[in-house]
Amino acid sequence: EPEVTQTPSHQVTQMGQEVILRCVPISNHLYFYWYRQILGQKVEFLVSFYNNEISEKSEIFDDQFSVERPDGSNFTLKIRSTKLEDSAMYFCASRGGLSGDEQFFGPGTRLTVL
Amino acid sequence: AQRVTQPEKLLSVFKGAPVELKCNYSYSGSPELFWYVQYSRQRLQLLLRHISRESIKGFTADLNKGETSFHLKKPFAQEEDSAMYYCALSWATGRRALTFGSGTRLQVQP
Repeated sequence: EPEVTQTPSHQVTQMGQEVILRCVPISNHLYFYWYRQILGQKVEFLVSFYNNEISEKSEIFDDQFSVERPDGSNFTLKIRSTKLEDSAMYFCASRGGLSGDEQFFGPGTRLTVL
Repeated sequence: AQRVTQPEKLLSVFKGAPVELKCNYSYSGSPELFWYVQYSRQRLQLLLRHISRESIKGFTADLNKGETSFHLKKPFAQEEDSAMYYCALSWATGRRALTFGSGTRLQVQP
């Protein structure tokens, strides 16, 4: 069964550094999402992406964040200058596109900002 | 703004006991409601959604618009049901981003 994959599984970085989190959505899916979960808190929506552009973003998704689909398979989340409070589990999800489709989640990348 | 509330952080029951995980939501409109489950060391996966009205692994959930609730129920809990359960909603049309509750950890003891 096809799955969403994410790399790396754990990323440690210094405050102020740029990080890129990578996701490979399920191949025929059209909608892509990033969520994050700070330890002990809720899973929070960051951004959705369709047809090579952002379709929606939350208040969390400020100018420090960007997303890209650089080729036909990868979907990336970039954080330009990481802060301590960016430490969280980041989940990628993809959805086929038909009404009622479920979102399939990746295993997550744990980002630790020191 | 939409909000999902799961009042219990932890629910501990014995095997064979009934289970009810509570979920309340606030949203003006017609949301879609979901239950996602995360077993130990596994990814989030959809358990069930209100529009399909199905029973998965013995779990059911009924959308009560009057009480704005979507409680998850199972008549006889099994040890393999131990996991983290998240209630979530999205707009019924257009936007599909999920708003999650804080989750309830279900522990089923032998």
